[in-house]
Amino acid sequence: AQSVTQLGSHVSVSEGALVLLRCNYSSSVPPYLFWYVQYPNQGLQLLLKYTSAATLVKGINGFEAEFKKSETSFHLTKPSAHMSDAAEYFCAVSEGDNQGGKLIFGQGTELSVKP
Amino acid sequence: NAGVMQNPRHLVRRRGQEARLRCSPMKGHSHVYWYRQLPEEGLKFMVYLQKENIIDESGMPKERFSAEFPKEGPSILRIQQVVRGDSAAYFCASSPTGVESPFFGPGTRLTVL
Repeated sequence: AQSVTQLGSHVSVSEGALVLLRCNYSSSVPPYLFWYVQYPNQGLQLLLKYTSAATLVKGINGFEAEFKKSETSFHLTKPSAHMSDAAEYFCAVSEGDNQGGKLIFGQGTELSVKP
Repeated sequence: NAGVMQNPRHLVRRRGQEARLRCSPMKGHSHVYWYRQLPEEGLKFMVYLQKENIIDESGMPKERFSAEFPKEGPSILRIQQVVRGDSAAYFCASSPTGVESPFFGPGTRLTVL
């Protein structure tokens, strides 16, 4: 069975600092991996996804993530945090080609950005 | 093209009542997914439906919960005889086929008193 682990339920950074949100997965098949962002009282917005093409994936709002098979990781980064990045971030994995919408989510990481 | 619509956005029910949550997928999307987010937790898959068919209900509780996606109209998630543990945010997502990553709606926040 597939699973996702997000290390750190809360991460706090200063405005302008590097953002690093960690995600490790387990999967018996090549995974599709996703990062979603959730702002308070809103739904989830797709930031980026990995579908076995380039291992470095660029997403919206300056975020990117690198798929590292040897480390079973898909960490999310942004070079310089902005106040508007404060939100909950979820890493997710799907179960294969025909299960694009059936996602397994991590517990989430709440990102705080200090001025 | 409007996004995924869910209503109501907030729903309050007393224990034992029924809750009906509605989801209108994006135009052209015939695949619908329901997820539940309990407080301080990530989203958990509940059910995957295509028009008039339940494709995968492996995440649905065995009792009191049901879902449908009729030929016409929105998808409905129905919870009978609600209990306090049903209090959560329920998210609907849709995609045009079963392959693409889905688009999520804003969610319905259910509170059971």
